[in-house]
Amino acid sequence: EAQVTQNPRYLITVTGKKLTVTCSQNMNHEYMSWYRQDPGLGLRQIYYSMNVEVTDKGDVPEGYKVSRKEKRNFPLILESPSPNQTSLYFCASNQGDTGELFFGEGSRLTVL
Amino acid sequence: GEDVEQSLFLSVREGDSSVINCTYTDSSSTYLYWYKQEPGAGLQLLTYIFSNMDMKQDQRLTVLLNKKDKHLSLRIADTQTGDSAIYFCAESPFSGGYNKLIFGAGTRLAVHP
Repeated sequence: EAQVTQNPRYLITVTGKKLTVTCSQNMNHEYMSWYRQDPGLGLRQIYYSMNVEVTDKGDVPEGYKVSRKEKRNFPLILESPSPNQTSLYFCASNQGDTGELFFGEGSRLTVL
Repeated sequence: GEDVEQSLFLSVREGDSSVINCTYTDSSSTYLYWYKQEPGAGLQLLTYIFSNMDMKQDQRLTVLLNKKDKHLSLRIADTQTGDSAIYFCAESPFSGGYNKLIFGAGTRLAVHP
């Protein structure tokens, strides 16, 4: 089954404690991206990747890091989380020739 | 800059038609999209329209595009309770290719008996 898998789905952490949200896709897509969803703001792109070892900033990259060492994986790293990073995070992948993004189920992060 | 706006909430009676509206700013967008988000799930592509089209129909869904006014709408005929969800309008600005969709804030559709 074609899917994008994110982990963890839910996480409560404290300010400053590094965390990683993993994302994996099994569709051999070249493009992967991370979005955060906040009430009234919709989805905003954090980072995206066009291929292995190729990443670029989206609209709200501050406080986040990403890496793309393998085609299927695109982890999101919060080196020192802060309360304003409390949000619902989505990983997505696409082939790049259309705007049909395939989304994971989301990771709800709370930073205390 | 690029921006997509849509109303936040719509309530309709089961069996009626729903119309969700959206305005966008980037006239270079090649495609415009409607995504659906059901509770506790990620977004799924519902339908899309190419920028040189005025209308696209797909079963109960009708998408209308007014390029002059940069206005996009999604009509759902015979709305059912299973249509209750958040609907996101999105554009793909030329500058970003298909990797940077700009999403609206989402319209929450509530269908009541």
